[in-house]
Amino acid sequence: DAGVTQSPTHLIKTRGQQVTLRCSPKSGHDTVSWYQQALGQGPQFIFQYYEEEERQRGNFPDRFSGHQFPNYSSELNVNALLLGDSALYLCASSLVKDWYYNEQFFGPGTRLTVL
Amino acid sequence: AQKVTQAQTEISVVEKEDVTLDCVYETRDTTYYLFWYKQPPSGELVFLIRRNSFDEQNEISGRYSWNFQKSTSSFNFTITASQVVDSAVYFCALGMNSGGGADGLTFGKGTHLIIQP
Repeated sequence: DAGVTQSPTHLIKTRGQQVTLRCSPKSGHDTVSWYQQALGQGPQFIFQYYEEEERQRGNFPDRFSGHQFPNYSSELNVNALLLGDSALYLCASSLVKDWYYNEQFFGPGTRLTVL
Repeated sequence: AQKVTQAQTEISVVEKEDVTLDCVYETRDTTYYLFWYKQPPSGELVFLIRRNSFDEQNEISGRYSWNFQKSTSSFNFTITASQVVDSAVYFCALGMNSGGGADGLTFGKGTHLIIQP
């Protein structure tokens, strides 16, 4: 049973560039959430996708956008990168019909460095 | 708004000592979920436990135990007879359900636990 996978593992970009991060949810899961974890901080919720639509969003600017595909995989896009966007980006998947259990499985993350 | 506070930034103990990690949460909702996650140096968050707001029973799993007290809005985590492999950053998190699926989690800032041999 494959867990949550993310690619790439590491990424280096320069200010002003755009970046796309990818996530494949745990097998059978239909909901994907993205989190940003700055160094020494806890993860912060960016947004969540279900049925190819953004279901919920945290306090992040419009430079952060996403997409969910019919196979439930997801992308996180960040435009006009800032130095402060340097962080570990975590993807988590869950099953909407199991909301009662509220269990989210996390991937290994993508480490983004903005120079 | 929800908030999770982990006041202990870093804890260092000698192996075999017991250690308690504190977590205090804030929410106006009556139905919510509390979690503990472990994050080793590799970065991946490892799920440890989930507790629902209507289930205040404490739980023990091997050397791990959790104390949930709604009266003080706390969900503390105790490791008994700590081992070097327990060294990691531990996060407490709060989750809701706004109708149709689990909401994004609100995490504390984490406690870096160092177990010295």
